[in-house]
Amino acid sequence: DTGVSQDPRHKITKRGQNVTFRCDPISEHNRLYWYRQTLGQGPEFLTYFQNEAQLEKSRLLSDRFSAERPKGSFSTLEIQRTEQGDSAMYLCASSYFLTEGEKLFFGSGTQLSVL
Amino acid sequence: GENVEQHPSTLSVQEGDSAVIKCTYSDSASNYFPWYKQELGKGPQLIIDIRSNVGEKKDQRIAVTLNKTAKHFSLHITETQPEDSAVYFCAARGTGNQFYFGTGTSLTVIP
Repeated sequence: DTGVSQDPRHKITKRGQNVTFRCDPISEHNRLYWYRQTLGQGPEFLTYFQNEAQLEKSRLLSDRFSAERPKGSFSTLEIQRTEQGDSAMYLCASSYFLTEGEKLFFGSGTQLSVL
Repeated sequence: GENVEQHPSTLSVQEGDSAVIKCTYSDSASNYFPWYKQELGKGPQLIIDIRSNVGEKKDQRIAVTLNKTAKHFSLHITETQPEDSAVYFCAARGTGNQFYFGTGTSLTVIP
């Protein structure tokens, strides 16, 4: 197991274009999280899945953002009609949730630059 | 929701000295407090964590303390080494199962 994998590592796009990021979690992890991180800030929660169900979405997640986790394995995060304010590092994390707790493991992120 | 504050934002120490980073949280129901180390161009890496039923936990040169009454927790790194230089984030998991992160501390260990 090589940990949480994210693709691509970097993405440069023009304003108004759509982008899609992929996350492959640690195998057997049942939860998958998406976070956004801007320079000098900690990660901000966007959404998370337990298996294939999307259980919670942040108010930060506008209707231009959509995430999926088909079959409870990898996940994709799509941003439609990108804006310059979407420029950030998008981090994926996975965990194995038990009632007594969980440990989040992060990928290396996708750095998005919107020109 | 939960609000996590972290201090200081930057910290420089001489190699071999100790470093302490402090965080406070607002939600008394938060029950799990991890610490992450983030190096340039990489995602945050879990280095130590503590649950609300424990006051202190140690792993080699790293220790974390938790004061539930005061709602604060701290990271202690002893005998610092240049490879400890990175940005450190504290986090708290609230009742909504979300993890809330502090704004980070940039630690520089001077050889």
